[in-house]
Amino acid sequence: AQTVTQSQPEMSVQEAETVTLSCTYDTSESDYYLFWYKQPPSRQMILVIRQEAYKQQNATENRFSVNFQKAAKSFSLKISDSQLGDAAMYFCAYRSAKGAQKLVFGQGTRLTINP
Amino acid sequence: KAGVTQTPRYLIKTRGQQVTLSCSPISGHRSVSWYQQTPGQGLQFLFEYFSETQRNKGNFPGRFSGRQFSNSRSEMNVSTLELGDSALYLCASSYTSGNTEAFFGQGTRLTVV
Repeated sequence: AQTVTQSQPEMSVQEAETVTLSCTYDTSESDYYLFWYKQPPSRQMILVIRQEAYKQQNATENRFSVNFQKAAKSFSLKISDSQLGDAAMYFCAYRSAKGAQKLVFGQGTRLTINP
Repeated sequence: KAGVTQTPRYLIKTRGQQVTLSCSPISGHRSVSWYQQTPGQGLQFLFEYFSETQRNKGNFPGRFSGRQFSNSRSEMNVSTLELGDSALYLCASSYTSGNTEAFFGQGTRLTVV
């Protein structure tokens, strides 16, 4: 079975600075997808960024980028120019490329932005 | 375009009762997945429905069941409620089962007393 581990329960960063959230995963599959979701106090999970395992290029979405290391099974999220609205729980998630929709989530990292 | 709608938003039930939660996916989406979120266990996959058929099921007891209607709306039922069923139940929809982007609703907060 696949597992996802986020080793940082909490992180904090000064507004406008850069922060990196860590995620490692375990799988025997070669084809899969990885995601970072954001869950603000409103509780709605919002997709931040996704990465296809077959793509070597790291995904980027505006201020959000990932460092995908397939051999090391590592998938970290970098947030540049942190904003107050970035404060939330961040979840790393894994999904197999075959079969149905089933996300395997990490335990989450609570990110605080200090003004 | 309306997002994923879950009703009710909050629910309080007594141990032993049963409960039904509803999820209306984004228009045109045919896949609906359910997740349970608790402080202790985190986010756990319950099941997925696609075109009225259950495609995948997580490791939950048979008290947890679901169904999907022809309009893609889905319901989740929990029978004989236990205190440990208190959780945030999230629903996610996607266009197809293989589509990589899933959109989540705001969840139903269930409290069992």
